Order: sequence, then C-alpha cells, then structure tokens
Amino acid sequence: DQQVKQNSPSLSVQEGRISILNCDYTNSMFDYFLWYKKYPAEGPTFLISISSIKDKNEDGRFTVFLNKSAKHLSLHIVPSQPGDSAVYFCAASVRNYGQNFVFGPGTRLSVLP
Amino acid sequence: DTGVSQDPRHKITKRGQNVTFRCDPISEHNRLYWYRQTLGQGPEFLTYFQNEAQLEKSRLLSDRFSAERPKGSFSTLEIQRTEQGDSAMYLCASSFDGRFEQFFGPGTRLTVL
Repeated sequence: DQQVKQNSPSLSVQEGRISILNCDYTNSMFDYFLWYKKYPAEGPTFLISISSIKDKNEDGRFTVFLNKSAKHLSLHIVPSQPGDSAVYFCAASVRNYGQNFVFGPGTRLSVLP
Repeated sequence: DTGVSQDPRHKITKRGQNVTFRCDPISEHNRLYWYRQTLGQGPEFLTYFQNEAQLEKSRLLSDRFSAERPKGSFSTLEIQRTEQGDSAMYLCASSFDGRFEQFFGPGTRLTVL
C-alpha cells in the first residue's frame, strides 16, 4: 500500500513554461513534506519543503502548495529550464515520530528547449 | 565539505555471498540513514542512526541485513547470503539533529547474479 503516490510517471514541458508535479498521500498523520530532485548516477538532492501548518512555500522558481483536506501537494517550477530535467520525488514524514521518510515513486520531468 | 560519499559505487556479487557497503556522512551531521531504491520506485527507508545508536529499523531490514556506525562517524551496511531480490541501489543520507533535510550520497548499486 503506497502511502505517497505520484501518479504521473513522466511529464514533458516546453522551456519557459510552468511545470506542475503532483503528489497525493493517504496517511493523515504526515505533517512535513519535501521534494527531492535526482539526476542520473547521483543521489537525490533536496529541493524544497513544507510543513503542514502552511499551505505554500516558495523558493526562487520553485513553489510547493499543500492542500491538507485533499491530502495533495504540488510542486510548481516557473519558468522551467532544460537543467530542471530530472526525476522528482515527493516525500512525507511525521515530525514527532522518528525520521522515517516515505517517498513516492517519482515523476520524470523533461524540459524541452 | 565533499558531501556524503559511498563506497563502492558498484558491486556485482554471486548469490549467497556477503557484501559490505560504506557510507561517510557530512562531518557535522550526527544523523545517518540507509535507504534502498529499486527501479521505478522511490527510496525506501531501511534504518537510521543518531550518532552511534541505531534508533529505527524498517521491517524491510531482514536478519540478513546489519548496519553499524561504531564511532558515530562512518557507517557500514552488510548483507549476508545475498539473494537476487537484494539487487538495488543502496543510498545513504545524513542530516543535522533536528533538521528534516537529508543530504544523500550517490549510492551503491548492487547486482546479485
């Protein structure tokens, strides 16, 4: 039973346009969420996070939105650049219960020049 | 600071052999994590250390798997009597105490023939 789902295995976007990556979770205990980016032959790299007390967090071109009632979060990249082409993982955790992150299966983003 | 390093990067072994992987975390980080990632999936949590204490283990971590962090610095993950199902990427990550962002190494890809 996947607690964190990323239902789009892949996404293609034109350079300069917005990329929207989606993530759904089932465990209502999750209260901290992160996005990681992974290039081939490298480990995942932390991108941005959000606590459940917020509904939006922004860092440069990257914005994460959290809808707790829908158990849904999304990552917006504006404008998309070819260097953003990577696999993006959504991860969730319960802050007061250890450090166990649950990762989604990832979405492969291709930004076309 | 060279980040999290893992050795070896690749390991090919025959079924039934024992293998050991090493992880060197970022030097100031006192938390260290092991994950396993298979094709098309996100990283799956295996175990976590705070300094030298192993505080959490996943049910994925069978009796054939053992992890140590003897002096609270580097860590080793040993798999005894390897099986073909153990073939995966083994990722190590580290973090500061109290911080959620984990920094990942490049991983060790294990192939069991």
